[in-house]
Amino acid sequence: AQSVTQLGSHVSVSEGALVLLRCNYSSSVPPYLFWYVQYPNQGLQLLLKYTSAATLVKGINGFEAEFKKSETSFHLTKPSAHMSDAAEYFCAVSDGRGSTLGRLYFGRGTQLTVWP
Amino acid sequence: SQTIHQWPATLVQPVGSPLSLECTVEGTSNPNLYWYRQAAGRGLQLLFYSVGIGQISSEVPQNLSASRPQDRQFILSSKKLLLSDSGFYLCAWGGNSPLHFGNGTRLTVT
Repeated sequence: AQSVTQLGSHVSVSEGALVLLRCNYSSSVPPYLFWYVQYPNQGLQLLLKYTSAATLVKGINGFEAEFKKSETSFHLTKPSAHMSDAAEYFCAVSDGRGSTLGRLYFGRGTQLTVWP
Repeated sequence: SQTIHQWPATLVQPVGSPLSLECTVEGTSNPNLYWYRQAAGRGLQLLFYSVGIGQISSEVPQNLSASRPQDRQFILSSKKLLLSDSGFYLCAWGGNSPLHFGNGTRLTVT
């Protein structure tokens, strides 16, 4: 079965500081992994995805994530936080295979606050 | 391009009343469709998913049901709402690409 654990429900950083949001996964098969961002009262927007190609994945808005199989991790980073990055971030794992996405299972989310 | 429409945006319903939330997708055919619920501090819970017309898989037994009467239409229903049904409901579509989400419906059961 697939599951995701996001360590830290709240993360606060200063503007310009490094952003690190942690995600560990559990999967019975090689996983597809995703990070989504959610702004208040809106749906989720895809930041980036890992689908067994390059282990370092670059996404939108300057975010990137590295897949580490040995650590079962897929942490999200951004070198320099911006005020507009304040939002809730969700890590997700899919049970899809081949070209089929399958079902997506989400972590509980991490609320990122950026201080001026 | 593909778009997903979800309505209404907000809804306040009394306990025991029925519910119908609708989601439609444009610009794609035979998508996988999903209903998620987001409750405070609990992340997103997958409620139902569908791989085709009339095909519904339920992830969590509960007071809700889903139907897919047309290829790009997905409906979430309840005959009698409970207080615990309050939350933010998100529809999504996918297939061989990452999930794309609607803007959600904020349901408050009073």
